[in-house]
Amino acid sequence: QKEVEQDPGPLSVPEGAIVSLNCTYSNSAFQYFMWYRQYSRKGPELLMYTYSSGNKEDGRFTAQVDKSSKYISLFIRDSQPSDSATYLCAMRDGGYQKVTFGTGTKLQVIP
Amino acid sequence: DTAVSQTPKYLVTQMGNDKSIKCEQNLGHDTMYWYKQDSKKFLKIMFSYNNKELIINETVPNRFSPKSPDKAHLNLHINSLELGDSAVYFCASSPQTLYTDTQYFGPGTRLTVL
Repeated sequence: QKEVEQDPGPLSVPEGAIVSLNCTYSNSAFQYFMWYRQYSRKGPELLMYTYSSGNKEDGRFTAQVDKSSKYISLFIRDSQPSDSATYLCAMRDGGYQKVTFGTGTKLQVIP
Repeated sequence: DTAVSQTPKYLVTQMGNDKSIKCEQNLGHDTMYWYKQDSKKFLKIMFSYNNKELIINETVPNRFSPKSPDKAHLNLHINSLELGDSAVYFCASSPQTLYTDTQYFGPGTRLTVL
């Protein structure tokens, strides 16, 4: 079993839809949770960064962390074609620099 | 302004050859990384350096050797290339601050071993 599990998709939604992307993990030591967006043939770029459980909102994006369930989510409201990309969840524990990535979910927003 | 740059962008080579990928960051970050992303988009860390010192060394074959001449550069040398080395290799850097360790990724080097 991988430490971080993420549905690879692809996920196709119409423009304007609410998108929910999820990851589960097995390592209870993870405390820092991130979502990266990766456009085709580009490097990943950080979208959201959260510490421990709770919600964080930034524009159309909301990140949720439920440590008791070992489950994190990224919600995208009013999705746009420009949101079409692969979304990677990532996490690490408190003391170590190593970040563990999920396999990524490919999202396509259809105009 | 390029934050994290990698050269070359594409690398096609024969099995058994030795090749190097260069990485440079102009962000003033202390920590740099090498990741390998396979065809299924799985991004796995290989190495991490902090101020030229190796701090993460995952289970990577000895054929892969990172070199950090200074904290702005982290190069990756690969000996005796194998078919399974074909992947996209990303360099990244991050600042050493208490509450964030955002990693800034380069554009990637697409390595194809024939």
